[in-house]
Amino acid sequence: DVKVTQSSRYLVKRTGEKVFLECVQDMDHENMFWYRQDPGLGLRLIYFSYDVKMKEKGDIPEGYSVSREKKERFSLILESASTNQTSMYLCASSLSRTSGKNEQFFGPGTRLTVL
Amino acid sequence: LAKTTQPISMDSYEGQEVNITCSHNNIATNDYITWYQQFPSQGPRFIIQGYKTKVTNEVASLFIPADRKSSTLSLPRVSLSDTAVYYCLVGRGNTPLVFGKGTRLSVIA
Repeated sequence: DVKVTQSSRYLVKRTGEKVFLECVQDMDHENMFWYRQDPGLGLRLIYFSYDVKMKEKGDIPEGYSVSREKKERFSLILESASTNQTSMYLCASSLSRTSGKNEQFFGPGTRLTVL
Repeated sequence: LAKTTQPISMDSYEGQEVNITCSHNNIATNDYITWYQQFPSQGPRFIIQGYKTKVTNEVASLFIPADRKSSTLSLPRVSLSDTAVYYCLVGRGNTPLVFGKGTRLSVIA
């Protein structure tokens, strides 16, 4: 089974702090994604990556950056956390951009609260 | 990216068959249709995927008409544990999936 793990289930940070959310997948997937989910808004794509050291902006990249130094790890960085970044953050991975099928496997999520 | 439209919510009694229809009028030739299920405080989970006609697995069936502009997820004999949000997405390997707001299914005893 594909396993996608996220470093924390719950996280509380203060405004202005730099926050790192880590995601690791164990199935040699090329594609990795970061979403945030807020009530009434569904899942919104922040950033994604199709390969090591590659990154692409999603729909809402402002206030975030990402890092993918190794194939299995995709980090989401909040450079200076703000209260409007309080949300559930979900990481996902999928096999390959050349695959017609693109089933995504999701991690359990990190519920981040910024005070 | 192909946009999808699906009902905001549905209610069903236990034991009934539930059909959730999704429209995707601008689906591209190479796009697949995928459905996900999400329980509260969990990440979405893949249910079923198809390209055309009918696909069935141990959980659900997916019906896709010839024009592929819509699809219907069919859940046979739902139980209380099927209460969840169901997302319909279209896409292919080289494009990220776009999740809409999904359909909130409530199963009533």
